Amino acid sequence: NFMLTQPHSVSESPGKTVTISCTRSSGSIGTNYVQWYQQRPGSSPTTVIYEDDQRASGVPDRFSGSIDISSNSASLTISGLKTEDEADYYCQSYDRSNKVFGGGTKLTVL
Amino acid sequence: QVHLVESGGGVVQPGRSLRLSCAASGFTFRSSGMHWVRQPPGKGLEWVAVISYDGDNKYYADSVKGRFTISRDNSQNTLYLQLNSLTAEDTAIYYCAKDLRGGYDYFDYWGQGTLVTVSS
Repeated sequence: NFMLTQPHSVSESPGKTVTISCTRSSGSIGTNYVQWYQQRPGSSPTTVIYEDDQRASGVPDRFSGSIDISSNSASLTISGLKTEDEADYYCQSYDRSNKVFGGGTKLTVL
Repeated sequence: QVHLVESGGGVVQPGRSLRLSCAASGFTFRSSGMHWVRQPPGKGLEWVAVISYDGDNKYYADSVKGRFTISRDNSQNTLYLQLNSLTAEDTAIYYCAKDLRGGYDYFDYWGQGTLVTVSS
């Protein structure tokens, strides 16, 4: 099994751009798709990005996903930050037998 | 509009059992794989189990294998999770989630969750 490592927290000001990383511990990040989920305080998760870079229905184009084979990591980038983007963000991938989540990143918009 | 509503959570003693349900609407339930994902209070997400659209294939996380059973009733548009031999480590919010692509590897819609607390 592999792990996905995310920064514990990030913070940025409204209107700015922030990037959250997700590094795979073993195996290539390009082997299996990466997804990103947003969880606002007190709410259930919602899907933001699937299949590395596809925005889920209703997600604004301020959100984008990408992978970098050289660093074996995925990234979620949010531009034009709004206070409503303040949430926990989880990356997720899988292998033959398991679905793995990163530990989550708390985004503070201040 | 996809709607997933979990129920059946509550406080249960260690070693006892519980059955969770997830009522689905707004999509063709019988054509979709379904997952359970859990989240201990204040912690991150953990995948628990997945079931294929027809119920023939089921896969579990190692942490619950042999204790939890996923099932579905396509005539009732309902997903289930039977939790046996519960321990304190099973205390969590349990979410049902719809499979996104048919490969049973990731999710698109999530329910609001039901809280299971294992305590004596």
